Amino acid sequence: GENVEQHPSTLSVQEGDSAVIKCTYSDSASNYFPWYKQELGKGPQLIIDIRSNVGEKKDQRIAVTLNKTAKHFSLHITETQPEDSAVYFCAASPYGNNRLAFGKGNQVVVIP
Amino acid sequence: DVKVTQSSRYLVKRTGEKVFLECVQDMDHENMFWYRQDPGLGLRLIYFSYDVKMKEKGDIPEGYSVSREKKERFSLILESASTNQTSMYLCASSLGATGELFFGEGSRLTVL
Repeated sequence: GENVEQHPSTLSVQEGDSAVIKCTYSDSASNYFPWYKQELGKGPQLIIDIRSNVGEKKDQRIAVTLNKTAKHFSLHITETQPEDSAVYFCAASPYGNNRLAFGKGNQVVVIP
Repeated sequence: DVKVTQSSRYLVKRTGEKVFLECVQDMDHENMFWYRQDPGLGLRLIYFSYDVKMKEKGDIPEGYSVSREKKERFSLILESASTNQTSMYLCASSLGATGELFFGEGSRLTVL
């Protein structure tokens, strides 16, 4: 099955700086790559996703890039704010939402 | 507003007890999922269901079963709880295989 690796496990950034989280995946058939944000005491929430027919997608301060050849994808957060502090999970699947394989998660801490 | 409700936020059970974790969604979603979240291991899929009375095993189904008698309700059953099933359990739903996953807030189970 699909295996997703996520690095780094913890990331601290100064408020206003950018944060980048990288994930690699193993199954070349994977075609759907979502990112979920989990705040303390809550369930994960989708923040952005990308499908394998595009290389980049942006939504305000958040962007995701996909390199199918290298089998990795990254989350970019610009102008970080304290409310960006959370655990971020990447995931991949060849079957859409079914059988999503999640990474282990990144704790992002934005220092005011 | 979309909602996935998990009936119990915190449960404490004894080894060997039968445990029911209930999940209800109000979005008329076809797909429902049970994930387990452990520190350092991320989210792992236990079971999912794409229709009433249908179920499929995820990556870690051993020791668990599920029931989906109605479209809005998906139950996770631990027939005989063991200490290694102490964990956070997350229920999610989606509109088919291409919609985003909506997660509940989780049920933290402790097995003594």
